[in-house]
Amino acid sequence: KAGVTQTPRYLIKTRGQQVTLSCSPISGHRSVSWYQQTPGQGLQFLFEYFSETQRNKGNFPGRFSGRQFSNSRSEMNVSTLELGDSALYLCASSAGPGQGIWETQYFGPGTRLLVL
Amino acid sequence: AQSVTQLGSHVSVSEGALVLLRCNYSSSVPPYLFWYVQYPNQGLQLLLKYTSAATLVKGINGFEAEFKKSETSFHLKKPSAHMSDAAEYFCAVNEKGGSEKLVFGKGTKLTVNP
Repeated sequence: KAGVTQTPRYLIKTRGQQVTLSCSPISGHRSVSWYQQTPGQGLQFLFEYFSETQRNKGNFPGRFSGRQFSNSRSEMNVSTLELGDSALYLCASSAGPGQGIWETQYFGPGTRLLVL
Repeated sequence: AQSVTQLGSHVSVSEGALVLLRCNYSSSVPPYLFWYVQYPNQGLQLLLKYTSAATLVKGINGFEAEFKKSETSFHLKKPSAHMSDAAEYFCAVNEKGGSEKLVFGKGTKLTVNP
């Protein structure tokens, strides 16, 4: 079974631009979560989607948004990029509530975003 | 609120020596606990997880962890380190019955010396 895939793997943007990152979960998984990883703040939860609905959101400004499609693929968008948005963005998928193992999240390789 | 503390941001061991990475958690409800490993320029790989079935949990690559409720700990161990174990290790907690949100520790970078 293929793992979680994320595209693109690397991105370079300039301040003020916007960016969209994509995540395809493991086949059959319906929950997708996003995390930001930086050297200073570590791994921080951004948001989680299940059945096209945002179930949880972390403490990030409104410039960070996401969505999930009917096939469980997810995108996250960051508008008006700031230098501090430079990070590794990780997507994780899990089966979802009621599946017995919903609590186990499997991570993709990440998208490394550099904002200049 | 949940939180995770990993003692020691850097741990260095010799090849063949015991690996012990420490993790303490704080949770108001019974937790799920996880250890993930991250190799350079890669995502997180699940090593093992505790979901209340057994207090001693065995994972991949010879790693194991023991859940101790009285100490609120979930330390990661491997009897004999291998060079390929050099990576960064993250402990994470998720409250049972809660959301998919994982709360991570700051990570411990493991160096294995020949």
